[in-house]
Amino acid sequence: DAKTTQPTSMDCAEGRAANLPCNHSTISGNEYVYWYRQIHSQGPQYIIHGLKNNETNEMASLIITEDRKSSTLILPHATLRDTAVYYCIVRVKNAGNMLTFGGGTRLMVKP
Amino acid sequence: GAVVSQHPSWVICKSGTSVKIECRSLDFQATTMFWYRQFPKQSLMLMATSNEGSKATYEQGVEKDKFLINHASLTLSTLTVTSAHPEDSSFYICSAPQIGDRGLGEQYFGPGTRLTVT
Repeated sequence: DAKTTQPTSMDCAEGRAANLPCNHSTISGNEYVYWYRQIHSQGPQYIIHGLKNNETNEMASLIITEDRKSSTLILPHATLRDTAVYYCIVRVKNAGNMLTFGGGTRLMVKP
Repeated sequence: GAVVSQHPSWVICKSGTSVKIECRSLDFQATTMFWYRQFPKQSLMLMATSNEGSKATYEQGVEKDKFLINHASLTLSTLTVTSAHPEDSSFYICSAPQIGDRGLGEQYFGPGTRLTVT
């Protein structure tokens, strides 16, 4: 799987949009961008994934650049409960194999 | 989505004793499950791949005789930490892929088990 680079930490004000960037310059054509998050002392939770088009679900939006070398996860209205470590992972979709976690971004949502 | 459970959610044991952690896929079958370990303020690190009906595959540096894995059925994998020591204190997380029609699957994670060895 391609390697990803994320900022170590970010702060966001409650109610504002949280934009979490991820660089994946070595991504292959058949690799998707996945985002998971881990709230303190819990297992990782799936957020969203995409190949090349922008994606949106009830949790977040995913913006992938045209060259696919980077992406941004957007939490449109961050709440205190969104405080977590967010992991950007590049992998072949539905591969069924284990996930390789990098350092992730520690997002702190502040009142 | 699919649900994966772990039991216990936390455990405290004395040094030298053994601890068993269970990972169950509640509404799907999993021929493969993964065990991760996470130390404070660090990312998840894969320990081993649990395979139903065959031996587990361990990552480099993980002692197979210390971390015994048994994939007893298509919905249950157990991790036993033998002769636990304080340095084994960690957050243990399992995951399982839900196999779809094409024989591939997405990963679902358990809630984790906090092990403290005193």
